[in-house]
Amino acid sequence: EAGVAQSPRYKIIEKRQSVAFWCNPISGHATLYWYQQILGQGPKLLIQFQNNGVVDDSQLPKDRFSAERLKGVDSTLKIQPAKLEDSAVYLCASTQFPRPTGENYGYTFGSGTRLTVV
Amino acid sequence: RKEVEQDPGPFNVPEGATVAFNCTYSNSASQSFFWYRQDCRKEPKLLMSVYSSGNEDGRFTAQLNRASQYISLLIRDSKLSDSATYLCVVNGNYGQNFVFGPGTRLSVLP
Repeated sequence: EAGVAQSPRYKIIEKRQSVAFWCNPISGHATLYWYQQILGQGPKLLIQFQNNGVVDDSQLPKDRFSAERLKGVDSTLKIQPAKLEDSAVYLCASTQFPRPTGENYGYTFGSGTRLTVV
Repeated sequence: RKEVEQDPGPFNVPEGATVAFNCTYSNSASQSFFWYRQDCRKEPKLLMSVYSSGNEDGRFTAQLNRASQYISLLIRDSKLSDSATYLCVVNGNYGQNFVFGPGTRLSVLP
């Protein structure tokens, strides 16, 4: 089974520039997430999609961050304009619908995009 | 209070030692619990789910105490390869919305 694909692996930009990240989840996974992980901290959820609809974007800084999943498969996350504090690893994850019992499957993460804003 | 809190670490233990990590969560409605492992500069990987009855996978044992809103991970006979950060994960307000703890770093020393 192919994993979650992300690109690019690394990106260095100057503050106030724009950047976009791409994610292709595992085939058949309806739920897709973008997480931000700052060095030394646990991942923080930015946005959750189910198919092409947004389930939770309460922690997405909407003045500068945007994300879409137009066809319910791959997704892009954009930052415009970037700030120094956006330097982090951006992780995409996907998962299947819960089991019939309601129990959730765990996530599978992509390898992430390491963003450095200078 | 943070949604998910973990032992601050780091834990430095000799090979062969037994080590336990603790995690507490604030959302009493949470139903799904996991431990993830994250190696340096890598993505988190699922280590094990945590079930109400407790579960074991080789040298790893996970326990859940719903009344105390507490999860634990026990590693027996530690190996050098167990050195990593261990992340406690709990589902949040939306069924499949998961909240990660800050992680506990483990270093197993020869």
